[in-house]
Amino acid sequence: DAKTTQPPSMDCAEGRAANLPCNHSTISGNEYVYWYRQIHSQGPQYIIHGLKNNETNEMASLIITEDRKSSTLILPHATLRDTAVYYCIVIGDFNKFYFGSGTKLNVKP
Amino acid sequence: NAGVTQTPKFQVLKTGQSMTLQCAQDMNHNSMYWYRQDPGMGLRLIYYSASEGTTDKGEVPNGYNVSRLNKREFSLRLESAAPSQTSVYFCASTRGTTDTQYFGPGTRLTVL
Repeated sequence: DAKTTQPPSMDCAEGRAANLPCNHSTISGNEYVYWYRQIHSQGPQYIIHGLKNNETNEMASLIITEDRKSSTLILPHATLRDTAVYYCIVIGDFNKFYFGSGTKLNVKP
Repeated sequence: NAGVTQTPKFQVLKTGQSMTLQCAQDMNHNSMYWYRQDPGMGLRLIYYSASEGTTDKGEVPNGYNVSRLNKREFSLRLESAAPSQTSVYFCASTRGTTDTQYFGPGTRLTVL
């Protein structure tokens, strides 16, 4: 599986869109991009995933570039409860799940 | 439907002691995983079980053993605990390889 690169931290004003970038330049054709978040020390929570096309659900939108080498998670209207560590993961094979260190999103009032 | 459950929630061990962390899922998932998370770090895969009856090593398997008892349960055993194994342990399950992983609440283990 491809490894991912994310900024260590980002700030966002409450009510504004949070755009979290992720680079996965070595992704291969059959690998999915998944996003999870972890609030405090709870178990990671699934947000969204995609293969090639952009995806949207009730929590977020996922924009994947045409070459699939990077993606952006968008939280359209961030709230204080969205403060968490966000992990971008590329998954295609069992024994190579790399969570990395993620991005610590700080949503400020 | 409880999802993924883990026991115990907290545990303190002395160096050299052994213990088993239990994980169960009620979603009829085929695959189960054990991760560890050290302070300020991301999750690292210890072992996984693609299906009932199979287990394989992940990124950091040394010092651990696992048992896929049945489709529901996947246990992680520390035979001789070491301070370096102080961590939060998460269990997860998925229907298949690239499906969404569902995580348990974690077990906080301290080895003195």
